Amino acid sequence: EDKVVQSPLSLVVHEGDTVTLNCSYEVTNFRSLLWYKQEKKAPTFLFMLTSSGIEKKSGRLSSILDKKELFSILNITATQTGDSAVYLCAAISNSGYALNFGKGTSLLVTP
Amino acid sequence: EPEVTQTPSHQVTQMGQEVILRCVPISNHLYFYWYRQILGQKVEFLVSFYNNEISEKSEIFDDQFSVERPDGSNFTLKIRSTKLEDSAMYFCASDSTAYEQYFGPGTRLTVT
Repeated sequence: EDKVVQSPLSLVVHEGDTVTLNCSYEVTNFRSLLWYKQEKKAPTFLFMLTSSGIEKKSGRLSSILDKKELFSILNITATQTGDSAVYLCAAISNSGYALNFGKGTSLLVTP
Repeated sequence: EPEVTQTPSHQVTQMGQEVILRCVPISNHLYFYWYRQILGQKVEFLVSFYNNEISEKSEIFDDQFSVERPDGSNFTLKIRSTKLEDSAMYFCASDSTAYEQYFGPGTRLTVT
């Protein structure tokens, strides 16, 4: 059975800290891994990673995929209170369209 | 920036009633999805829809559920006879390539 596991489940940091969120996956015929940020409601797309070792970057956020060890990390540098959210990772296989989500990491950034 | 929209934002219904949740995907997108998130649990896939037919569905998507694209813009999820355990946030998503799915704000369904 395919599964996606995120760690930690929750995290509290101070503004300015750097955080690393982890996502491991076991997906048959893996195609891509996606990261989303979920604040009040809708998951907002952050990154899609398909190739191993290539970092994707957007401002203070970056992410990388390791297809040999079957994990991805999401880094947030110089955190701000607006980064407080649940971060979701999801894997998708070549044999379908469904995103298989992890339970998420709840990040709280305190002033 | 184009976005997926959903209506209503909150729907309360009695057990056994039919509900229709509506979504307007991003206009040039071809792939459409429904997911649900029960409070405190992970987001779960229900169904994907492409070229006017279901392309994939999960075990959750049983005969009580159906999807339709009645016109060129709307995408609907119907639950025929709601149960208490159908209470959840329902998200619609769409994408143009089957690679990057963009989510709507969700409809919170409460079944009493």
